[in-house]
Amino acid sequence: QVQLVQSGAEVKKPGASVKVSCKASGYTFTSYGISWVRQAPGQGLEWMGWISAYNGNTNYAQKLQGRVTMTTDTSTSTAYMELRSLRSDDTAVYYCARAPLYQPKERRVDWFDPWGQGTLVTVSS
Amino acid sequence: QSVLTQPPSASGTPGQRVTISCSGSSSNIGSNYVYWYQQLPGTAPKLLIYRNNQRPSGVPDRFSGSKSGTSASLAISGLRSEDEADYYCAAWDDSLSAHVFGTGTKVTVL
Repeated sequence: QVQLVQSGAEVKKPGASVKVSCKASGYTFTSYGISWVRQAPGQGLEWMGWISAYNGNTNYAQKLQGRVTMTTDTSTSTAYMELRSLRSDDTAVYYCARAPLYQPKERRVDWFDPWGQGTLVTVSS
Repeated sequence: QSVLTQPPSASGTPGQRVTISCSGSSSNIGSNYVYWYQQLPGTAPKLLIYRNNQRPSGVPDRFSGSKSGTSASLAISGLRSEDEADYYCAAWDDSLSAHVFGTGTKVTVL
């Protein structure tokens, strides 16, 4: 079955970086993209960006431009999300999700399915 | 600061029909597909409706989606206790060049 398995919880100090992994199985990894979504405690969902597993093209949320980098390793069917210069308001559960585009070569991201189990990142001094 | 607006809560008794609204604008719902996600307590979100009104395999036909202009709705008919969850709408926003989520609606089964 299609599945995304994420790395474990992290505790980081303000100013540090975190890198979360998302290992895909059950489908052809390079045929889809991966979106990253985060959810602060008790809050709603926030889209962070998208990466093509086919060619590495990315589209980041403007709010996170310059602090976030998304990459993929096609040899292991794994996607990564690195967030730098962490602040306390980056404390959240981070999710990856399989996500195609509306059409190849365009920017609009389609549905998210399935989602990984989530990775709690806590930023605290 | 979500771009799509949902009521914070909705409720119903078992067997009733509950409808959740999602209000957007011409740059998101008005010109792109709408999606609905269900998040059960303590779990990851799950795709419920895609491309306005399509159900993934395995999603009961008690769940239905619709869209009109710059608004969309999710209807849950034959409400069951296991439907108690948070529900989020989502859409691509052309102005932001980003995927945006609704504010979320907590459904309670009385």
